Amino acid sequence: DTGVSQDPRHKITKRGQNVTFRCDPISEHNRLYWYRQTLGQGPEFLTYFQNEAQLEKSRLLSDRFSAERPKGSFSTLEIQRTEQGDSAMYLCASSLASGGSDTQYFGPGTRLTVL
Amino acid sequence: AQSVAQPEDQVNVAEGNPLTVKCTYSVSGNPYLFWYVQYPNRGLQFLLKYITGDNLVKGSYGFEAEFNKSQTSFHLKKPSALVSDSALYFCAVRDLTGGFKTIFGAGTRLFVKA
Repeated sequence: DTGVSQDPRHKITKRGQNVTFRCDPISEHNRLYWYRQTLGQGPEFLTYFQNEAQLEKSRLLSDRFSAERPKGSFSTLEIQRTEQGDSAMYLCASSLASGGSDTQYFGPGTRLTVL
Repeated sequence: AQSVAQPEDQVNVAEGNPLTVKCTYSVSGNPYLFWYVQYPNRGLQFLLKYITGDNLVKGSYGFEAEFNKSQTSFHLKKPSALVSDSALYFCAVRDLTGGFKTIFGAGTRLFVKA
């Protein structure tokens, strides 16, 4: 399967702990996006990379959130000092740059539960 | 600011009947519009997109969508619904004045009854 993969698929943590999620994009894709989805809502944009450069960050992305894509391939999203409000599905998507018309392909997501 | 509205939380249709899932948008510049479908326990799957040109866009699984600039709408349609079309559908918009951020609607749940 050459689609977008995310690890882990599920994460349960206690409030105040740090968590890190990984996303492996489709191999030739140079853009990578992170979204957060809560129940009953559509995905909310968090951040986006083109190659290794983080080009946009949402105001939703507080100082506790950080994302990296060190070699322009896989990406990690870290949440420090988790809060119960961080409980959500975290989605990763990748695309091949094509102006603004590129199609994003999504991974299965990581479901985070903060107790 | 960009925004997307999906006015119906749920759409019910009988198998074999045509279906429409509505979407309206607001952007500053020229819109790029997308439809995605989400099945239970699976990631979002791309259905179709409008970039420019023909207002009627055809996509996967027999779906199509019509771009209407004057009504700022991009409704998803299918001539004959299948039970297997039952899923959650998301409309999304991007305009480059907002960078590469894509804004998704809240989703519409489609139930197709046999």
